[in-house]
Amino acid sequence: RKEVEQDPGPFNVPEGATVAFNCTYSNSASQSFFWYRQDCRKEPKLLMSVYSSGNEDGRFTAQLNRASQYISLLIRDSKLSDSATYLCVVNRGGTSYGKLTFGQGTILTVHP
Amino acid sequence: DGGITQSPKYLFRKEGQNVTLSCEQNLNHDAMYWYRQDPGQGLRLIYYSQIVNDFQKGDIAEGYSVSREKKESFPLTVTSAQKNPTAFYLCASSIAWTTSYEQYFGPGTRLTVT
Repeated sequence: RKEVEQDPGPFNVPEGATVAFNCTYSNSASQSFFWYRQDCRKEPKLLMSVYSSGNEDGRFTAQLNRASQYISLLIRDSKLSDSATYLCVVNRGGTSYGKLTFGQGTILTVHP
Repeated sequence: DGGITQSPKYLFRKEGQNVTLSCEQNLNHDAMYWYRQDPGQGLRLIYYSQIVNDFQKGDIAEGYSVSREKKESFPLTVTSAQKNPTAFYLCASSIAWTTSYEQYFGPGTRLTVT
């Protein structure tokens, strides 16, 4: 089983749609969780950290379920500029706590 | 402006040649990392450094070497021993080697070896 698994997509949605991405992780010792965004042929950039109680940043909402080892990202009112690859990222825990494991990413295309 | 710079953006080399990728940060971060990304795959950790004058192998260190003589610099050498060196190489840094700090990435270097 992969350490971090994401549905690779692609997700093709119209502007204004709501779209949700899911991610599962295998290491129960993981303590830090992030969503990064990566535009085509660019570097990943932090979209948001994911907190146990869930958190929201504008149109983006992240949820964490530690019992199920599951993370989600919800994007409301999609914009054309949201088109990118979304990476689920988890720290490894234990003595490797400073290392991050990246999912392969979920591709989102928002069309007019 | 604070950030991470990588140079060059594109690099072409012949098989059998060693090549060094530059990574510089002015964020005053202690920890630095090197990743490679192949099409359709997640980032894989090559080497990391928790602090100056220290570095550790990551998941795929074979065929690579690094140094960390200065806090702001973490160059990566891709040696001729690396079997599949063509990839997108990303350097990152974080404030410290802890659980909660995110990593910031440089713009990357695309290496093509023929």
